[in-house]
Amino acid sequence: DTEVTQTPKHLVMGMTNKKSLKCEQHMGHRAMYWYKQKAKKPPELMFVYSYEKLSINESVPSRFSPECPNSSLLNLHLHALQPEDSALYLCASSPHGTGEDTQYFGPGTRLTVL
Amino acid sequence: QKEVEQNSGPLSVPEGAIASLNCTYSDRVSQSFFWYRQYSGKSPELIMSIYSNGDKEDGRFTAQLNKASQYVSLLIRDSQPSDSATYLCAVRGGWGKFQFGAGTQVVVTP
Repeated sequence: DTEVTQTPKHLVMGMTNKKSLKCEQHMGHRAMYWYKQKAKKPPELMFVYSYEKLSINESVPSRFSPECPNSSLLNLHLHALQPEDSALYLCASSPHGTGEDTQYFGPGTRLTVL
Repeated sequence: QKEVEQNSGPLSVPEGAIASLNCTYSDRVSQSFFWYRQYSGKSPELIMSIYSNGDKEDGRFTAQLNKASQYVSLLIRDSQPSDSATYLCAVRGGWGKFQFGAGTQVVVTP
């Protein structure tokens, strides 16, 4: 199984809503990532969890809150988002998060903030 | 200077020809290098990884790495319309972080 799954596929939310994005992998990987991708731009790294500890936090606004309940699951909690936060949110995982690790991406969640 | 640079394209390639994509990076201690393909509205899909200087071939794809010149390339032989996509170069730097280039859009014309 080389799959990273993400739910939901699409999400529309208002600026006052609270929602969560979910990501799951069963490859035994110990590093998981959240990226944000705007149209015609490359993915931008938001957070990295390595061995269930937050190891990289790219100065993302506090309205985005990551959570890693266990080595297979990664959540991104959303609160009071702005319309400019509308984007494709990608989850990825890799075996260890270092060295020659390859990242494998999930299908993404298309988020629209009204 | 951007950390990972690619020509944005579009790179127009006749069907059956070779597409040549280039990527340069600024961090001399970068450890590993990747090419991803991304179709519009979809997530990136890994095509190739390369870690040592030289060439690495996988089917119609060949990745080339030159660490002295801080340069990595991707050749696509016998280009097909299904190869039309954006190709992202990614570099894992000495600090362990994945950094993507802006991507090169490839258009294969019949």
